[in-house]
Amino acid sequence: QLQLQESGPGLLKPSETLSLTCTVSGGSISRSGVYWCWIRQPPGKGLEWVATIHYSGSTYYNPSLKSRVTISVDTSKNQFSLKLRSVTAADTSVYYCARIYGASLDYWGQGSLVTVSS
Amino acid sequence: DIQMTQSPSTLSASVGDRVTLTCRASQSISSSGVAWYQQKPGKAPKLLIYKASNLESGVPSRFSGSGSGTDFTLTISSLQPEDFATYYCHQYNSFLFTFGPGTKVDIK
Repeated sequence: QLQLQESGPGLLKPSETLSLTCTVSGGSISRSGVYWCWIRQPPGKGLEWVATIHYSGSTYYNPSLKSRVTISVDTSKNQFSLKLRSVTAADTSVYYCARIYGASLDYWGQGSLVTVSS
Repeated sequence: DIQMTQSPSTLSASVGDRVTLTCRASQSISSSGVAWYQQKPGKAPKLLIYKASNLESGVPSRFSGSGSGTDFTLTISSLQPEDFATYYCHQYNSFLFTFGPGTKVDIK
């Protein structure tokens, strides 16, 4: 059974860089036809797509975040990562990693709460 | 940019009710990029329906999806206690996702 697990600091100060890693187990991150992404959800609010990556290195970003976001993949570790620079309180969210297969998100991590506070 | 809206924002219903949730796109979209998710408090979303009308494996058959163009619906034929949750739709096009704001189904 495929499993995704987010990891990274839970508390950041304004202007710092958010760094999260998603570890994929039970399957290969290099599987043909799948992509990997980050979704975030501010407390009590809806879902927002952040970024997508393919194991080949192709990347896609939410235009509203593109200037601050980098997504990367490490196939040797079966992981992909997210960096979000210059965070503010508005970036406080639960960050989920997920698998994209056939235009839908069929596997999700449990989520990682990142709080930005001085 | 394509915007997604969902209605109603909150729906109060009883066990056994048939409920219909609506997702509307700001312009015509491909149904292949429309999916529905169920989210319970403190949990990750769970895929219910993909490509607008296909039931994800393991999802009860009381869930169904339909629609085309700009209007899509999720129907629960007989609401069960475990179905009280928030439901999200999205559209996926050119590697970009846009989610709807969600519909919360609560107990009447």
